[in-house]
Amino acid sequence: SQKIEQNSEALNIQEGKTATLTCNYTNYSPAYLQWYRQDPGRGPVFLLLIRENEKEKRKERLKVTFDTTLKQSLFHITASQPADSATYLCARGGSQGNLIFGKGTKLSVKP
Amino acid sequence: SQTIHQWPATLVQPVGSPLSLECTVEGTSNPNLYWYRQAAGRGLQLLFYSVGIGQISSEVPQNLSASRPQDRQFILSSKKLLLSDSGFYLCAWSQSRVYEQYFGPGTRLTVT
Repeated sequence: SQKIEQNSEALNIQEGKTATLTCNYTNYSPAYLQWYRQDPGRGPVFLLLIRENEKEKRKERLKVTFDTTLKQSLFHITASQPADSATYLCARGGSQGNLIFGKGTKLSVKP
Repeated sequence: SQTIHQWPATLVQPVGSPLSLECTVEGTSNPNLYWYRQAAGRGLQLLFYSVGIGQISSEVPQNLSASRPQDRQFILSSKKLLLSDSGFYLCAWSQSRVYEQYFGPGTRLTVT
């Protein structure tokens, strides 16, 4: 089956360090991947979209990479802050325009 | 700018009771609309999506149904709730099938 997986359920890092989250996909070659942030009790918020022909995309302190050889996307937050603590979701497009989400990685940034 | 509304924010319903959750979008026309459910400890599960008025597609068989009576209104319903229907229900919209989705604030449903 076509899977999208975020293998780390949780990631704890120190403030100021770079957080790196991983999203892997199998049995599928997505045309794009998206990353969202979700805070407790709230809906996900779109952060970045990266297409298969784009190796890297940046937005302020955020960076996303797309490696079609490794079948992997990495999501980086540089100079992390406690306010970056949240669950981050990776998503790929489904056959009907829907999104198929990974289970997410809960990031905790300690001061 | 576009906004998406959902109500109610929280709901506690007994097993066997009906359900109606409403979602409306402002500031855009002919959006793609989606209903997702997020159960505790699980990922987002797509329930229904709609590309136009009266056009509903279901991803998983269940005792829920959806309707789109107006371009920017999406309703999730059930005739008889089950305990397993408890969860966080999210409505989302997008301009196109390859664009990002924008989510509403969600409805926390507890079936007792």
